[in-house]
Amino acid sequence: SQKIEQNSEALNIQEGKTATLTCNYTNYSPAYLQWYRQDPGRGPVFLLLIRENEKEKRKERLKVTFDTTLKQSLFHITASQPADSATYLCALDNNFNKFYFGSGTKLNVKP
Amino acid sequence: DGGITQSPKYLFRKEGQNVTLSCEQNLNHDAMYWYRQDPGQGLRLIYYSQIVNDFQKGDIAEGYSVSREKKESFPLTVTSAQKNPTAFYLCASSDNRDRVGADTQYFGPGTRLTVL
Repeated sequence: SQKIEQNSEALNIQEGKTATLTCNYTNYSPAYLQWYRQDPGRGPVFLLLIRENEKEKRKERLKVTFDTTLKQSLFHITASQPADSATYLCALDNNFNKFYFGSGTKLNVKP
Repeated sequence: DGGITQSPKYLFRKEGQNVTLSCEQNLNHDAMYWYRQDPGQGLRLIYYSQIVNDFQKGDIAEGYSVSREKKESFPLTVTSAQKNPTAFYLCASSDNRDRVGADTQYFGPGTRLTVL
């Protein structure tokens, strides 16, 4: 069956360091992958999208990679700040405008 | 201000009662979605609609019903047949102009439903 895996353990890092979050998937061939940020009690907010023919995408302090051979996406936040603390979700499409979300990884950035 | 609104923010229901969650968008998006989120789990798709007067079941549609009579509105009814309705419900919309894909989803603030 189709599966999206994100590390369920919280990631704790020091302010200023680079945070790296992982999204692995099986039994999918997504055309693109998206990353969202979710704060407690609120709806997710879109951050970045990367297509299957793109290896890397950047936006300010954010960087996403997409390896369709490894079936993995990495999400990096450089120069992390306490305000970056949130849960980050990856989402894949099934090529029919349906989206599948991972369970998210909680990031804690300590000052 | 463009966006998606969901109401109410918190909803309490007695077991055996049906309840309807509201979702309205003024983004002029064709597609709308309902998800359910439980603690420690990802968002699970309940129903989605690509266009007015049309909708499809998602992965966990049992015990839920929807309607899409207007482009702006996609209400979700949680029926008494839903065995574990207590959850955080999220509504989303997307443009769907790019039929090849790459549709960003815009989410509402969510409704937390508690069955007493």
